[in-house]
Amino acid sequence: QSALTQPASVSASPGQSITISCTGTSSDVGSYDLVSWYQQHPGKAPKLMIYEVSKRPSGVSNRFSGSKSGNTASLTISGLQAEDEADYYCCSYADSRRVFGGGTKLTVL
Amino acid sequence: EVQLVESGGGLVQPGWSLRLSCAASGFTFSSYWMHWVRQAPGKGLVWVSRISSDGSTTTYADSVKGRFTVSRDNAKNTLFLQMNSLRAEDTAVYYCVRVKESGYAFDYWGQGALVTVSS
Repeated sequence: QSALTQPASVSASPGQSITISCTGTSSDVGSYDLVSWYQQHPGKAPKLMIYEVSKRPSGVSNRFSGSKSGNTASLTISGLQAEDEADYYCCSYADSRRVFGGGTKLTVL
Repeated sequence: EVQLVESGGGLVQPGWSLRLSCAASGFTFSSYWMHWVRQAPGKGLVWVSRISSDGSTTTYADSVKGRFTVSRDNAKNTLFLQMNSLRAEDTAVYYCVRVKESGYAFDYWGQGALVTVSS
């Protein structure tokens, strides 16, 4: 199972919006509405930000949103804040297994 | 409060074995599927294995199949990962992860246990 494809890095200024893409195949992202997104700060465990493509867990800011089209899922963060600077990983269900993206480093300029 | 606390990590030589434990608290452990996810130093997250709530179903990544075994003791609220024939490429922080109820996402993560395989 190959990793999902994410851009290595994205950057933007506070207040702006960014979108991180996550491209898989018809065997994972394209077949299931079971994509989740995780935020990881340095030295910390990942935190669930989006599940089932576009649902937000309780406590996660509504500045975070998710979507999917075909084999590509996307995470959008609006109104960027300094604390959003972190690594972001997508993850898809894939026939009883899971596959992660390679991760995207978000820099808030 | 949900807590997942891994233990058992350390430095071992190639070919050796190690067993990780994950002590769960704050929820009904026996009702949840559990997974292991690892992260090599400076690298991304990689899924390792999963186990059903009753322990009857297990699945592994191809990279660890035949070498790693996931198990659980629901009476003791503990998840295990037995790792045999360890290789340098198994060096990583190993996270114990809970699956969201009635879902597929990982809603709680442990703090991780570092496993270093080196001669």
